[in-house]
Amino acid sequence: EPEVTQTPSHQVTQMGQEVILRCVPISNHLYFYWYRQILGQKVEFLVSFYNNEISEKSEIFDDQFSVERPDGSNFTLKIRSTKLEDSAMYFCASSVEGVGEKLFFGSGTQLSVL
Amino acid sequence: DAKTTQPPSMDCAEGRAANLPCNHSTISGNEYVYWYRQIHSQGPQYIIHGLKNNETNEMASLIITEDRKSSTLILPHATLRDTAVYYCIVRAYGGSQGNLIFGKGTKLSVKP
Repeated sequence: EPEVTQTPSHQVTQMGQEVILRCVPISNHLYFYWYRQILGQKVEFLVSFYNNEISEKSEIFDDQFSVERPDGSNFTLKIRSTKLEDSAMYFCASSVEGVGEKLFFGSGTQLSVL
Repeated sequence: DAKTTQPPSMDCAEGRAANLPCNHSTISGNEYVYWYRQIHSQGPQYIIHGLKNNETNEMASLIITEDRKSSTLILPHATLRDTAVYYCIVRAYGGSQGNLIFGKGTKLSVKP
């Protein structure tokens, strides 16, 4: 079964550093998302992306965050200057259609900001 | 999107049916009920969704009451691998692009 692939599985960075989390969505999917989960807390929506632009973002997704689909397969989340509170598991997801369709999630990247 | 209420935890014996309830008393006519689960901090996994008719797929069955104010996810023969947090999510079809609002869910423990 096709799956969403995320790399790396673990990322450790120093506070203030830039970090890029990478995702390869399922190949025929058109909608892409990032969610995050701080340890012990709920899964939170960050951003959705369609047709090379952001379609929706949450309050968490401030100017420190950006997303990009640099080529036909990758989807990236960049955090410009990481803070301690950015430490979380970050999940990428994709879907064929954006609305009402089931989302396929990757296994996540655990980001630790020291 | 309507709010949902789920019990924080449930136990189930292996091989028995697991029945996970969800209350969504403020659900609107155009809102669907979705179920996802998360196994030990892995990415959430879609299980099933429905509007008003009962639905069944290879993973589970979804029973929605006639007034649509509550629903039950049924795992017919629970295995140890079904131990996970199960999330009931209500959202409109045609609403925001994939913005699923996850609550705390129900932690299901399947015991041998």
